[in-house]
Amino acid sequence: QVKLQQSGAELVKPGASVKLSCKTSGYTFSTSYMSWFKQIPGQSIEWIGMIYAGDGGTGYNQKFKGKATLTVDTSSSTAYMDLSSLTTEDSAVYFCARRANWVSVFDYWGQGVMVTVSS
Amino acid sequence: DVQMTQSPSNLAASPGESVSINCKASKSISKYLAWYQQKPGKANKLLIYSGSTLQSGTPSRFSGSGSGTDFTLTIRNLEPEDFGLYYCQQHNEYPWTFGGGTKLELK
Repeated sequence: QVKLQQSGAELVKPGASVKLSCKTSGYTFSTSYMSWFKQIPGQSIEWIGMIYAGDGGTGYNQKFKGKATLTVDTSSSTAYMDLSSLTTEDSAVYFCARRANWVSVFDYWGQGVMVTVSS
Repeated sequence: DVQMTQSPSNLAASPGESVSINCKASKSISKYLAWYQQKPGKANKLLIYSGSTLQSGTPSRFSGSGSGTDFTLTIRNLEPEDFGLYYCQQHNEYPWTFGGGTKLELK
């Protein structure tokens, strides 16, 4: 079955960067799209961007350009998101999710990872 | 960006009852509206897409309706596992945007 397993919670200092991972199994990673999302606890979900694992092509929400960088490693079927120049406003739960093949909705999600930015 | 407004933000109901959750887009999104369920400790679950198409595995007590700017998620004969958070998402144009969420609680 399809699984998206995200890395563990992170505590990082302001100004630092963090790299989150999303290891997948149960489907053909190299022909799929992966999206990432941000959710501040108690608030709604924001779409950060998307990457096509086949060629690494990306598309970003303008709001997150310069903040997030998406990459993939097809040899390990893993997607990554780098978050840079972190501030307290980046403290949130981050999700990865697979885009469905036929429409731009997200049919499988990771469990989410909490990133806390604090000195 | 398309703004998505959900109502109500909180909803209390009992098992066996029926409830409706509304989602309004700031501009027409045709039929391209999805609904998700979010529960603590579980992966988010896609319930419905394209306004009314049930995702594989979604129970038939869930239904979606609407087009243009106004959409509704209806859950009939609530089951205990239906309580949680619900979000709508427009999938008509970039960037994909979500509603503010509706918390469905046990009365």
